[in-house]
Amino acid sequence: GIQVEQSPPDLILQEGANSTLRCNFSDSVNNLQWFHQNPWGQLINLFYIPSGTKQNGRLSATTVATERYSLLYISSSQTTDSGVYFCAVVTGGFKTIFGAGTRLFVKA
Amino acid sequence: DTEVTQTPKHLVMGMTNKKSLKCEQHMGHRAMYWYKQKAKKPPELMFVYSYEKLSINESVPSRFSPECPNSSLLNLHLHALQPEDSALYLCASSPTSGADTQYFGPGTRLTVL
Repeated sequence: GIQVEQSPPDLILQEGANSTLRCNFSDSVNNLQWFHQNPWGQLINLFYIPSGTKQNGRLSATTVATERYSLLYISSSQTTDSGVYFCAVVTGGFKTIFGAGTRLFVKA
Repeated sequence: DTEVTQTPKHLVMGMTNKKSLKCEQHMGHRAMYWYKQKAKKPPELMFVYSYEKLSINESVPSRFSPECPNSSLLNLHLHALQPEDSALYLCASSPTSGADTQYFGPGTRLTVL
C-alpha cells in the first residue's frame, strides 16, 4: 500500500522562527490534507491541497503531485503553534492514510 | 457550520460492558468515518460509510460494530473490549467522496479497564 513519510519527526523552535515540514508519499493520491492536532486531541484542518500552493496567514502549503511531496511552511512561529502536524492522503476511494506526524514545540 | 460533534468526551468501561459512541454532523455530508488513535501515533482508519452504506472496514475486530442510522449520525457500538482498545476514537465527515476535505470531531477518549 501507499507509504506516507513525514519529516522531521520532532522540531523545537524559538518563538518567531520559521520552519518547513515535509510529507512524502509513494503513489498518486486523490486528496492531501494537512492537520494540526492540539494537546486535547482535536484535529484542525489547515489545508486541503492535492496540488498547487495555498496560503492562510502565517501558514502556507505546496504540493507537487508529480514528485509526490508536500511542504507546510510556518512563519513567525508562536507558542500556540505547538502540537503535532499530520499530513493525510486519500487513495482508491476513501482509504485514508496518515503520516506519523511532526511534533513541534515552540519555546517562548 | 463545519462542526462534527462526538459524545461522550470520555468513557471508562469494563471488559464485559456494552457501550456506544455517537457522532453527529449537520453539514449535509454523505461520507462518515471512524478512526482510532493510540497515544503518540497517527489516526488509523477503521470504518467508512458512504450514503449510509458501509464502504470500508479495515479488518476491525467484531467487538467494534458501526452503525449509520441516517446521513447525519454514526454510532460505534462497543462490546467485550480489551485494555489495548483504550485510545482516542475520532469521527470525521466529508461531503461526498474521499477526494473531499474531511472534518474531524473532538474525539472520545476511551479507557478499558
